[in-house]
Amino acid sequence: DGGITQSPKYLFRKEGQNVTLSCEQNLNHDAMYWYRQDPGQGLRLIYYSQIVNDFQKGDIAEGYSVSREKKESFPLTVTSAQKNPTAFYLCASRGTGDTGELFFGEGSRLTVL
Amino acid sequence: GQQLNQSPQSMFIQEGEDVSMNCTSSSIFNTWLWYKQDPGEGPVLLIALYKAGELTSNGRLTAQFGITRKDSFLNISASIPSDVGIYFCAGQRFWLGSQGNLIFGKGTKLSVKP
Repeated sequence: DGGITQSPKYLFRKEGQNVTLSCEQNLNHDAMYWYRQDPGQGLRLIYYSQIVNDFQKGDIAEGYSVSREKKESFPLTVTSAQKNPTAFYLCASRGTGDTGELFFGEGSRLTVL
Repeated sequence: GQQLNQSPQSMFIQEGEDVSMNCTSSSIFNTWLWYKQDPGEGPVLLIALYKAGELTSNGRLTAQFGITRKDSFLNISASIPSDVGIYFCAGQRFWLGSQGNLIFGKGTKLSVKP
């Protein structure tokens, strides 16, 4: 089945540790996105990538890093510089064209202990 | 930054009731999307709207793209228990230097009346 796979579903981290969240899609989409979701805050854009080997900062990029070495993969690293990393992280992708329709993965919940 | 005002923030429903929610903005959008999110899951696209005035249905769901292009509403008729969740609106517009990224409302949480 075509879709977006995020892993792990749940992740616990000690303060000061970097963690990497995986996002893989087999939809052949060019654009991929990472969002952060906090209760009552909606979805906030962290980073996005329109094409392989290129990515741009979103609204809340500080403390995060990404890479886009392959079309199907867009991993997100939550670094120790992120002051409040506990959140639900969502990866999404979009095909070419201007329809705007994003397709989301099932999310990864990161908890800092 | 741009904002979408989504209301209500939360509402309680009784099975069989109709539900209505809306999103407004001070900016014009080219596309309006409505998503539903179940607890612990990613949002799922319900309806996409591409033209001002467009009215689109998906089963018991009906959404409209406002004629001014600054608002959209979503109606759910004859609600059932599985309608509970968080509903998000999202708008897309293009302007100089933009990538056409979506802007999301903060969501409307639907719960069942005790």
